[in-house]
Amino acid sequence: NAGVMQNPRHLVRRRGQEARLRCSPMKGHSHVYWYRQLPEEGLKFMVYLQKENIIDESGMPKERFSAEFPKEGPSILRIQQVVRGDSAAYFCASSPPGTGADSGNTIYFGEGSWLTVV
Amino acid sequence: ILNVEQSPQSLHVQEGDSTNFTCSFPSSNFYALHWYRWETAKSPEALFVMTLNGDEKKKGRISATLNTKEGYSYLYIKGSQPEDSATYLCAPLGAAGNKLTFGGGTRVLVKP
Repeated sequence: NAGVMQNPRHLVRRRGQEARLRCSPMKGHSHVYWYRQLPEEGLKFMVYLQKENIIDESGMPKERFSAEFPKEGPSILRIQQVVRGDSAAYFCASSPPGTGADSGNTIYFGEGSWLTVV
Repeated sequence: ILNVEQSPQSLHVQEGDSTNFTCSFPSSNFYALHWYRWETAKSPEALFVMTLNGDEKKKGRISATLNTKEGYSYLYIKGSQPEDSATYLCAPLGAAGNKLTFGGGTRVLVKP
């Protein structure tokens, strides 16, 4: 059973370009979380999604950032018109169907996507 | 937003020594506490999920205790080895919450 898969692992974008980060949850998982690690900081929650629904996006910047988790395919975190301050590691995590972290179940993390904006 | 404090921020331990560190969180509205071990350039690895006051969990040489009434958890490493070097993260979950809020972590470096 493959773990949470993120790609690309490393992405370089020029200021003003778009970045798309993809996350395939563990097989059978239908809950996805995105976290961001800025340089010298810890993991900060961004958004929690279930299939075709955004459940909690309280950690998402109001502009330029969006996330989706379609019925088919991976979850996508999209950053439009990137700026240098978006340079960070973006981690995706997933948990089993019918439950979220509040169930007491473990959530499993991917290895992260490192975005560098030049 | 939950206020989560981990101390110390970093810790140097001699190989073979035991150590412990703390995660503090709001005791009201508590539901669960997650501990993760995180090595640089890897994914955070789940260690424990704890829900009951007085709970104690163990995985190899690593164990954790939980006090939900006073809002803290200790993580212990017995007989530290170089491979224990990592950042240890705790993340409490409130009863009304649906996401983990991580502390800043305790960075452990075990010196041979």
